[in-house]
Amino acid sequence: EIVLTQSPATLSLSPGDRATLSCRASQSFSGSYLSWYQQKPGQAPRLLIYGASTRATGIPARFSGSGSGTDFTLTISSLQPEDFAFYYCHQEYNLPTFGQGTKLEIK
Amino acid sequence: EVQVVESGGGLVKPGGSVRLSCATSGLTFSNAWMNWVRQAPGKGLEWVGRIKSKTDGGTADYAAPVKDRFNISRDDSKNTLYLQMNSLKTEDTAMYYCVIEMDAWGKGTTVTVSS
Repeated sequence: EIVLTQSPATLSLSPGDRATLSCRASQSFSGSYLSWYQQKPGQAPRLLIYGASTRATGIPARFSGSGSGTDFTLTISSLQPEDFAFYYCHQEYNLPTFGQGTKLEIK
Repeated sequence: EVQVVESGGGLVKPGGSVRLSCATSGLTFSNAWMNWVRQAPGKGLEWVGRIKSKTDGGTADYAAPVKDRFNISRDDSKNTLYLQMNSLKTEDTAMYYCVIEMDAWGKGTTVTVSS
């Protein structure tokens, strides 16, 4: 099983700041199998990024993904009030797994 | 527009069984790989299992905590996915989401396992 470790667990930033969220895998795999999701309280998750760097339909350009091998990053270039939420990375290289999540909160 | 609607959740005693359903529309269901993902109260997301399209073999895979207790099936004629949950444990208490191709999510259905 590929274990995904997200850091930090909680990120406290202000609107307009740049957010950098990390996802590290226990073994290397193709970025084609790495996705990022956003979840707000009381809502289902929403796909943000797939293939490590491709934005899903309707996702604003301030969201970007990068990385390969074992290290992947989600960057939000300028935080908007609606971006404060939980973020999860997810792999489907073999049996799918999720990271434990990063809570992005307002400072 | 793709729609995903889960149903069948509720209160179940430990050791009991329940079957969840996921009705879909707006897509070619038979071509889709379908997943179940759960989220325990206050916890993160946990992948439960998936079933491939019949053209890709139609087989199902499961996460270790539910393997041999849960069974995923599909009825392509009804555009519906199922999750049969047996030998339920208190730690199976969660919101269960049906997810199409790990892209389109339903709103979820809650399963509570408690005596």
